[in-house]
Amino acid sequence: EIVMTQSPATLSVSPGERATLSCRASQSVSSNLAWYQQKPAQAPRLLIYGASTRATGIPARFSGSGSGTEFTLTISGLQSEDFALYYCQHYNNWPPQYTFGQGTKLEIK
Amino acid sequence: QVQLVQSGAEVKKPGASVKVSCKASGYTFTSYYIHWVRQAPGQGLEWMGIINPSVSTTSYAQKFQGRVTMTRDTSTSTVYMELSSLRSEDTAVYFCARGASDIVVSQTTAEYFQHWGQGTLVTVSS
Repeated sequence: EIVMTQSPATLSVSPGERATLSCRASQSVSSNLAWYQQKPAQAPRLLIYGASTRATGIPARFSGSGSGTEFTLTISGLQSEDFALYYCQHYNNWPPQYTFGQGTKLEIK
Repeated sequence: QVQLVQSGAEVKKPGASVKVSCKASGYTFTSYYIHWVRQAPGQGLEWMGIINPSVSTTSYAQKFQGRVTMTRDTSTSTVYMELSSLRSEDTAVYFCARGASDIVVSQTTAEYFQHWGQGTLVTVSS
């Protein structure tokens, strides 16, 4: 089973600055990688899929990169509403596997 | 617009079963997979399984094999997730989520989760 590891666990950044979140897969997942944002008492929200494609309605300040085993979510010009939990997820065809990282909490510095 | 509306919170005793519903609207129900994901208090996201609403085939995460059953009712566009032999560790918010790709067009289960239900809190306590 593929293990997804996110770092850091908590990231403190000032509003207006850039945040860089990392996700590493224990083996290659090609570009089958998604990023989600979750706020307290809410369902996750899809941000990025295919490692680098923004989902519908997601602002351009969110960008994803990487392939294989190393992935990055970058949020430029942080706004107050961006402080939340972020999860990466690997998705696989067969057998169906959808493994999430443990999450990165992005907090206001 | 796509909507997934889940049933309300449940409180169950250890050893009991719980059945959570997820009613879909705004799209062709049988064209997209539905997944179930759970989140224990203060913890991360855990995938439980997938159902093809068209033919009712399922695949479950190994951890839940033998305890989880996913079914659907096409007449009401509703998917159900039943978890049995509940224990305190099953206390969590349970989400349904719709896959992004038309089942027939994509011919794959490798998909991300584009739409989510609001979540259902299941509390297991004696």
